[in-house]
Amino acid sequence: DTEVTQTPKHLVMGMTNKKSLKCEQHMGHRAMYWYKQKAKKPPELMFVYSYEKLSINESVPSRFSPECPNSSLLNLHLHALQPEDSALYLCASSLMTSGGDTQYFGPGTRLTVL
Amino acid sequence: LAKTTQPISMDSYEGQEVNITCSHNNIATNDYITWYQQFPSQGPRFIIQGYKTKVTNEVASLFIPADRKSSTLSLPRVSLSDTAVYYCLVGDEGTYKYIFGTGTRLKVLA
Repeated sequence: DTEVTQTPKHLVMGMTNKKSLKCEQHMGHRAMYWYKQKAKKPPELMFVYSYEKLSINESVPSRFSPECPNSSLLNLHLHALQPEDSALYLCASSLMTSGGDTQYFGPGTRLTVL
Repeated sequence: LAKTTQPISMDSYEGQEVNITCSHNNIATNDYITWYQQFPSQGPRFIIQGYKTKVTNEVASLFIPADRKSSTLSLPRVSLSDTAVYYCLVGDEGTYKYIFGTGTRLKVLA
């Protein structure tokens, strides 16, 4: 099973709202990722967790707050977002094998900030 | 960090072989090259991964020359359902420095 699930599928929020995106995998993967993808652009890496610890934060604004409660779950907490944050947010996971580590992506959450 | 570029778009006819290139001039020694397919409003789907020379699986082949500054995804006998955006991803699990290529929109015509 190479499935990564993401909820919700769609989210509309105002600039003063607080919301969370959720990602789950049950493949025993030890690394989990958040990407942001704007229309007609490639995904851009935001955060990486390895063994439930934050390994990479690609200079993401503090209004995005990641959380990894356990090895299967990854959350992205959203607060005071701007309209330009509207995008497809993708979660991925990988096993963390050396010699070519493959990331498997979820279907994404389409976020619209009004 | 390898900057990766791809042709913006390609058209092909059903049944033809399609080759999509990715240029990554600054690829690092430990970086692997992975190709993904993405349909609108969906997550990228893994196609193939390699480090050097040639890799083949049931859906595609990946050619990587000795200098590793580029790679070519080969899709044999494409069908209409292969119409999608194709991305190369270059990076290393040791540093987590992953960067997607600019993406190639493939349109398969009947």
